[in-house]
Amino acid sequence: RKEVEQDPGPFNVPEGATVAFNCTYSNSASQSFFWYRQDCRKEPKLLMSVYSSGNEDGRFTAQLNRASQYISLLIRDSKLSDSATYLCVVNKGGGATNKLIFGTGTLLAVQP
Amino acid sequence: NAGVTQTPKFQVLKTGQSMTLQCAQDMNHNSMYWYRQDPGMGLRLIYYSASEGTTDKGEVPNGYNVSRLNKREFSLRLESAAPSQTSVYFCASSRTSGGDYEQYFGPGTRLTVT
Repeated sequence: RKEVEQDPGPFNVPEGATVAFNCTYSNSASQSFFWYRQDCRKEPKLLMSVYSSGNEDGRFTAQLNRASQYISLLIRDSKLSDSATYLCVVNKGGGATNKLIFGTGTLLAVQP
Repeated sequence: NAGVTQTPKFQVLKTGQSMTLQCAQDMNHNSMYWYRQDPGMGLRLIYYSASEGTTDKGEVPNGYNVSRLNKREFSLRLESAAPSQTSVYFCASSRTSGGDYEQYFGPGTRLTVT
């Protein structure tokens, strides 16, 4: 089983749609959770951290379910500029080193 | 503010050749990382440096060596390149090695080994 699993997509949605991505992780010791965004042929960039209480940043909402080891990202009112690959990222847990485990990503294509 | 810079951007090597990928950050970060990204695999950690003067193996270190030259610079060396090392290589840095800190990535080096 992969340490971080995501649906690879692609998700093809019209502008204005709401879309949700899910991610599961296998290490119950993981403590930090993130969503990164990666545009085609570019480097990953942090979109948002994910907190136990859930958090929102504009049109983006992230949620964490520790019991189910499940993370989600909701994008409301999709824009063309949201088209990218969304990476679910989990801290490996344990020790003092920031080792991140990256999912393979979910591709989102927002259509006009 | 340049952030994380990497050189070269593209490189083609023949099997058996060696090369060094350079990475530098200007954010005064303590920790630096090298990843490779392959289709369908996600980013995988090759080596990391939690602080200046220390380096440790990541998930896929075989065939690579690293040097943390100073706080700013972290290089990755391929001593004898193999076709399996064809990949996109990303350098990253973070403020410290704690698990909560964002990692900032460089633009990547696209390496092809023939």
